[in-house]
Amino acid sequence: QVQLQESGPGLVKPSETLSLTCTVSGGSINSYYWSWVRQPPGKGLEWIGYIYYSGSTKYNPSLKSRVTISVDTSKNQFSLKLSSVTAADTAVYYCARDSIVAAGNYYFDYWGQGTLVTVSS
Amino acid sequence: QSVLTQPPSVSGAPGQRVTISCTGSSSNIGAGYDVHWYQQLPGTAPKLLIYGNSNRPSGVPDRFSGSKSGTSASLAITGLQAEDEADYYCQSYDSTRVFGGGTKLTVL
Repeated sequence: QVQLQESGPGLVKPSETLSLTCTVSGGSINSYYWSWVRQPPGKGLEWIGYIYYSGSTKYNPSLKSRVTISVDTSKNQFSLKLSSVTAADTAVYYCARDSIVAAGNYYFDYWGQGTLVTVSS
Repeated sequence: QSVLTQPPSVSGAPGQRVTISCTGSSSNIGAGYDVHWYQQLPGTAPKLLIYGNSNRPSGVPDRFSGSKSGTSASLAITGLQAEDEADYYCQSYDSTRVFGGGTKLTVL
């Protein structure tokens, strides 16, 4: 059974960079796409971006200028960096595995438990 | 505003049938991209409920079913149970992965 676990600081100051890591266990990170999804308190889900195990990435256009997702296959981990954060970036951040049915048809079949990141001074 | 539109809330009594709609456009659902559904119980991560419009992952009861037609999709829940009270999200593709705004299901 694949399991994902997010880790990283729960508090980040405004204008600084949010950094999170997702550790994948129970399966290999190879041959899959891996995404970050966030959920502001009391609000809906927002896809942030994905990385393929080979390192190729795609980001949500609304966040693209501030997002970097990287992968470390040797550690079975992938990471998220979000720069110049504001209070609007306060959210629960989830990592998830992307399963692909066909081009353009993707769904998230495994999710981490999520980690709350608060942006505040 | 979400690319996919869901009703903010629906409700039903135990044993009843409820449906949750997900309305898109010609650039996402109407373009032939599949719709997937997630259930988010209070305080937990989303869980895949339906994938590829109408397929249930192993372990999901057959009380849950999905369908798609034109630019819309629906999630139906029959034999409503108290444990079904949760938020439900639809998801599709529109140049990127996109979610609906979510629907809160209340079991009366």
